[in-house]
Amino acid sequence: DQQVKQNSPSLSVQEGRISILNCDYTNSMFDYFLWYKKYPAEGPTFLISISSIKDKNEDGRFTVFLNKSAKHLSLHIVPSQPGDSAVYFCAASAGTGANSKLTFGKGITLSVRP
Amino acid sequence: DAGITQSPRHKVTETGTPVTLRCHQTENHRYMYWYRQDPGHGLRLIHYSYGVKDTDKGEVSDGYSVSRSKTEDFLLTLESATSSQTSVYFCAISGARVHQPQHFGDGTRLSIL
Repeated sequence: DQQVKQNSPSLSVQEGRISILNCDYTNSMFDYFLWYKKYPAEGPTFLISISSIKDKNEDGRFTVFLNKSAKHLSLHIVPSQPGDSAVYFCAASAGTGANSKLTFGKGITLSVRP
Repeated sequence: DAGITQSPRHKVTETGTPVTLRCHQTENHRYMYWYRQDPGHGLRLIHYSYGVKDTDKGEVSDGYSVSRSKTEDFLLTLESATSSQTSVYFCAISGARVHQPQHFGDGTRLSIL
């Protein structure tokens, strides 16, 4: 049973345009959500996170939106740059301390065309 | 960048042999994790540790064991490697505060022939 779903395996956008990456979850106990970016042959790099008490968090070109009623979050990248081309993982956790294990989606490959 | 070093970075071995992967951190973080990444599965948690000598199982722990005798080192052992354990293995660390992100090492690519 997949608790974090990234239903689109890939996305291609033009440089300078907006990239919107979507993620759905099924576990209502999740209260912390994260996005990671991964380049080939490297480990995932933390990008941005959001707590369930918020519905939006911004960091530069990256904004994460959380819709708890729909159990949906999205990552917006504006403007998209060729260096943003990577695999993006959505992850979620429930609770704190030893309970804060991350559950990951399968990832989405973003390609930004020059 | 978080101070996480995984070794070896690449390893090829034969079915039935024991394999140990090492994760070393310089951040003095309490929590350490081992994941595997496979096509079509994202990252899946194998084992994690919440302190020295304190470990617990994750989602895909069968065939793996771990040990943590020092804060900075977390070892993952495949007692008798099988071809299904061919994968890329990532170590991650996080602090003890609420809602801290995990930070990952660069991975170990393990091939079992």
